[in-house]
Amino acid sequence: NAGVMQNPRHLVRRRGQEARLRCSPMKGHSHVYWYRQLPEEGLKFMVYLQKENIIDESGMPKERFSAEFPKEGPSILRIQQVVRGDSAAYFCASSPLGTPQETQYFGPGTRLLVL
Amino acid sequence: AQSVTQLDSQVPVFEEAPVELRCNYSSSVSVYLFWYVQYPNQGLQLLLKYLSGSTLVESINGFEAEFNKSQTSFHLRKPSVHISDTAEYFCAVSETGFQKLVFGTGTRLLVSP
Repeated sequence: NAGVMQNPRHLVRRRGQEARLRCSPMKGHSHVYWYRQLPEEGLKFMVYLQKENIIDESGMPKERFSAEFPKEGPSILRIQQVVRGDSAAYFCASSPLGTPQETQYFGPGTRLLVL
Repeated sequence: AQSVTQLDSQVPVFEEAPVELRCNYSSSVSVYLFWYVQYPNQGLQLLLKYLSGSTLVESINGFEAEFNKSQTSFHLRKPSVHISDTAEYFCAVSETGFQKLVFGTGTRLLVSP
C-alpha cells in the first residue's frame, strides 16, 4: 500500500509565478490536510479537505492561496503570484475517516523555493 | 486556542544514554496528544499517541510518553538512545472534535557515539 505521495519534491519559482503542489492520499483515504513548515519552525495547519469539499480553511492565507480535492485525481495546493516568504516545505497528510483521534499519514513534502 | 511548547530546540546526547524531550500544551478542552518524528528531507512519521485510558503510551522502538493532565505535559522518553534516533521530534495536539493538528516547534535530537 503506497504511502502519501507528493510532487514535485522540489519546486523553484520566481517571484510572481504560480506554484501548484500535488498530493495523492493513501489508498482508501478520503481526507486530506495541508501543512506548511517555515524554516526552523514547526508545521502550521493550512486546510482540511474531503473529496470536493473544503472542511476547514482557517489556516489558509486570505489571498493567493487556494486548495482543492476533486472527485478524481490528487489534491492541489495552488499559490498564485508567489513571494519570497512563501518559501517553505509544504506537507500533505491523509486519513481514512477524518476523526481527530486518527493518525494522519504524512507525505515527504514539497520544498518550494521562491527566487 | 491550543498551543504546544517544546522548550528545547536541540538536545545532544551520547549513544546509550537516556533522553527526555519535553512537551507542554495549553487547551481549555480535552485533547489528543501525538509525537511525530522527522528524519532529514522526509515527511513526519507517527511515533506514538495518547487518546484515552492509560497515561503511559509506548512505541515499538523503545520510546514512551506519559500524559500528565495536571501539568499539561506529554514528555517523550527513551532509556537508551541509538545513533539512528537522530532526528527532529514534534509534539502535536488536536482538540476532540477538531481534525487539525497543532504542532510545537520541534526538538532536534543529536545522538553521538
